[in-house]
Formats: sequence, structure tokens, C-alpha cells
Amino acid sequence: AQSVSQHNHHVILSEAASLELGCNYSYGGTVNLFWYVQYPGQHLQLLLKYFSGDPLVKGIKGFEAEFIKSKFSFNLRKPSVQWSDTAEYFCAVNAHDNDMRFGAGTRLTVKP
Amino acid sequence: DSGVTQTPKHLITATGQRVTLRCSPRSGDLSVYWYQQSLDQGLQFLIQYYNGEERAKGNILERFSAQQFPDLHSELNLSSLELGDSALYFCASSAGQGSSEAFFGQGTRLTVV
Repeated sequence: AQSVSQHNHHVILSEAASLELGCNYSYGGTVNLFWYVQYPGQHLQLLLKYFSGDPLVKGIKGFEAEFIKSKFSFNLRKPSVQWSDTAEYFCAVNAHDNDMRFGAGTRLTVKP
Repeated sequence: DSGVTQTPKHLITATGQRVTLRCSPRSGDLSVYWYQQSLDQGLQFLIQYYNGEERAKGNILERFSAQQFPDLHSELNLSSLELGDSALYFCASSAGQGSSEAFFGQGTRLTVV
């Protein structure tokens, strides 16, 4: 069965620092990849998604993610974080069997 | 607004009781997922339905069950509730086709006292 690993449970950064959150998945076939964000007290919302084409995907609020097929990775990046980026971030994978799986999540705290 | 509706928003009940959580997916979405989110366990996948049939099962306890009805809404039944079942329960829906993202509801916060 496919699985998704997020390496960091909790990341603490100062404003303007650069962010990279790791995500690896285990599935050999074609996959669709997603990053979701959950702001405090809210539901999960889509940040960005990769289906095919350019492996560097741009999302909302200055986030981007790079799909590296050889490494089974889909890391999330942002050059300069803001206090308002404080949230929990979830990587997700789904494959042709439509079985969407989420990672455990990474909590990001941005200190002003 | 994601288009996914969950009711109720909050539920407080006693240990040993049984509750039903309801989810209406986005119009046209065939797949429904249920997740449990708690502070110590994070986001746990419980179960997925696709067009009325169970598609995948995750870390769902035997005390919990779910179903998807012909109109595609879904219910999650939690019985013999324990204090540890207190959590946020999310429902998500997707079109169910290969390249489709999931849209989440606002969740039901269950408190077992």
C-alpha cells in the first residue's frame, strides 16, 4: 500500500527565513501529489498540486514544490516565510486507484 | 467554502454512547474519505467510499463503521465511545477520477466526557 512520510513533525522559523518541508512517498506507479495547509482552527485547504508536466509547481501564497521522481519526493518550499504561514502542512498522494493518502503533517511555527 | 458539508459542527457526549456524523460531499463527487485528527495522533485516515462501495480502510476501530448512501452522502458511526475518541473528524470528497484533489469539510469536533 502506498504511504507518505513527512520528515519533520514541528519546524520553528523566524520571519523571512526560508522553508523546506520534506515529503517522500512509496508508490512505484504514476502518482498525483498535493500539499494541503491547515491554519489554526480551520479545515485543510489545497496549497498546490502536481499531476504531470513541469516538476516545479507554483502554488498560492508564494509556495512551490518540486517533484523528483527518482527520489520519490515532493518537497515544499517558500523563500521567505511570514508569521501568517504558521499552520500545519500535509503532503498527500493519490494514484490511479483513487486512494488518497496523507502524511502525518508538519507543524510550522513562524516567530515574528 | 469547499462545498463539503459536515454536521454537526460540535458534539459532546458521554462515554459508552453512540454518535453519527454526517457528510455531504461536493456535488458530483463520488469519493468520500473520513479522517480523525487528534493532538497526539495527527491526521489518521479512517475509511474511503467510492460510489457507495468501501474502497479503502485505514486505522478504523471495530467500534467505528461508515457507509455511503445512494445519494452519495456518508455517515460515520462511532459506538461505545471512549475518552480517547475525542477528536476532530473530517470528511473529504473528490471526483474519484485519477487526477482529482480532495476537498475537506469543516469537521465535527467530538468531545467525549
